[in-house]
Amino acid sequence: EVQLLESGGNLVQPGGSLRLSCVASEFTFSTFAMTWVRQAPGKGLQWVSTITDNGFTTYYPDSVKGRFTISRDNSKSTLYLQMNSLRAEDTAVYYCAKHGSSGWSGDYFDSWGQGTLVTVSS
Amino acid sequence: EIVLTQSPGTLSLSPGERATLSCRASQSVTRNYLAWYQQKPGQAPRLLIYAASSRATGIPDRFSGSGSGTDFTLTISRLEPEDFAMYYCQQYGSAISFGGGTKVEIK
Repeated sequence: EVQLLESGGNLVQPGGSLRLSCVASEFTFSTFAMTWVRQAPGKGLQWVSTITDNGFTTYYPDSVKGRFTISRDNSKSTLYLQMNSLRAEDTAVYYCAKHGSSGWSGDYFDSWGQGTLVTVSS
Repeated sequence: EIVLTQSPGTLSLSPGERATLSCRASQSVTRNYLAWYQQKPGQAPRLLIYAASSRATGIPDRFSGSGSGTDFTLTISRLEPEDFAMYYCQQYGSAISFGGGTKVEIK
């Protein structure tokens, strides 16, 4: 069974930085694109960032572009999210998610981690 | 950006009844690249349907997806007690976006 374990969530002041990690197991990590999705308290799901299987290409919505950086280390089966210039509206549970299959047709998420909470507050 | 609008916001039904959830896109979803997820309180989302109508592994056949273009539907043929939850649609034909969700609650 696919396992995704996020860590790194914490309380951070506005303007601060945080790095999230997601350790993957029980699948060939290097052959799947990966994505971060967040969920603010009591709200819906919001796409945060996507990285291709080889790590060469990344995608972001405008809401985080220039502040967040997604990366991966396939030798460690680990996904990262570096978050800078954090704002109160970035407060959320952050999930890492595995893509369903390779290529564009597989950009849905068939496995999710349990999430890690990021709170941005002074 | 494709905006997904889910309706109704809340659906109040009894076990055994049929649930019909709608997801409407602001523009046509390329190749009907649309997925549905179920989420229960305190849990991560679970994939139900991808490519508009393909059931994910292990999903009971009471869950079905249909639609194309801008209008998509998730149908639960007979609600089981464990089906009362939040449901989200997601499109992946043009970047990625999620709908706001539909809550299926016990009447």
